[in-house]
Parts: sequence; C-alpha cells; structure tokens
Amino acid sequence: EDKVVQSPLSLVVHEGDTVTLNCSYEVTNFRSLLWYKQEKKAPTFLFMLTSSGIEKKSGRLSSILDKKELFSILNITATQTGDSAIYLCAVFQGAQKLVFGQGTRLTINP
Amino acid sequence: GAVVSQHPSWVICKSGTSVKIECRSLDFQATTMFWYRQFPKQSLMLMATSNEGSKATYEQGVEKDKFLINHASLTLSTLTVTSAHPEDSSFYICSARDSVHTEAFFGQGTRLTVV
Repeated sequence: EDKVVQSPLSLVVHEGDTVTLNCSYEVTNFRSLLWYKQEKKAPTFLFMLTSSGIEKKSGRLSSILDKKELFSILNITATQTGDSAIYLCAVFQGAQKLVFGQGTRLTINP
Repeated sequence: GAVVSQHPSWVICKSGTSVKIECRSLDFQATTMFWYRQFPKQSLMLMATSNEGSKATYEQGVEKDKFLINHASLTLSTLTVTSAHPEDSSFYICSARDSVHTEAFFGQGTRLTVV
C-alpha cells in the first residue's frame, strides 16, 4: 500500500527559529514529490521535486529530495508568524495518484 | 500558478438530498482531476482520480454510487454527493493538473454540512 508519512505532526517554535519538516514515502512508481502549505482553505503549491540532491529554494523556504532513502525535507529559516500553517507532503505515483501525508501543523509564536 | 475554481465554497443541505460540487480549471486544460475529502485537523484523503472522458478511479472504501464523479470536459469535473447524510459533512477539495506538468493545483474547497 502506498504511504506518505510526515513528521513531526505538530511543531511549535518561536519567531526567528529554523525548522525542518520531514516526509518519507513508500509508493510504487514514484514520479515526484510535492510540498504544499495549507492555511485556511485550499493548499497552495510550494515545491515539486523529482531529482535527488537538487535543492529547490524560494526565499526562506528550501527543500531537497533523497530518492535512495525515500524522503524529503522542507526547511524554513528565520520563521515568521505568517509561516504558521499545515505543511503537506504529497507524492505522485505511476498510476497518476497524488497521495498526501498527514501534514505537519507548524505554529510560530511571536 | 494555474487557477482552479471550485464552487460552491460552502453548502448546507438536508439529509437525503443530493449536492453537486463543481471544479473548473480556468487557464489550462485539466486532463486529470483529483477529489479529496478532509476532516478537521486531518490530511487530505484521496477519494477518486478522474481523467477527461473516462470513468473515475475510486479509492478503496469510497462508494462510487454515492460520490458520483463526472469529468466530461478538459475544464470541468463535478462531484455529486447523493442521498447525503450528516456523516458526509466534510471539506471537499478538488485539484487538477494538465498533461505536461506534474504539479497539481487546488480549488478553494467546499465545506458541506448535511443537517
């Protein structure tokens, strides 16, 4: 059975801290891994990773994929209260399914 | 990114009635659309995947006769919750992708409350 597991499920830090969110997966015919941020309603797209070892960066957010060890991390540096959200990891697999992990609820306290 | 519009954003219906939710891709052709259900404080649970012009592929445990999915055009997919019951109350989200890009973009979601 395909599965995507995120950790931690919940994280509370202070503004300015750096956080690392984890996503491991076991899927058939892996195609790509995606990170989304969900605040109030629909998830918004952050990154798509298809190749191992190539870091994707957008401002204070960065992400990297390890296809050998089957995991990805999402880093957020100098966190701000606006980074508080649920971060979702999803994997596209060969049958064109997009399977989500449970999400990490990140809370940034001022 | 691409725009996906979902309508309505919230709906209240009586038990036993049917509700239709629309998902439209506004600026791209959505060859594949996904329907998810999300319970409070939980992640998105994939209900079904639909390709334009084909029957939807339902995930295990999802009743295809209860959750009717139609993807008749490259810009529109609909989810109809038939004979709704209070336990169907949930947040339903669609996402769509085209044939070229792997990333999928989400609609705004529909909060369904069955009373």
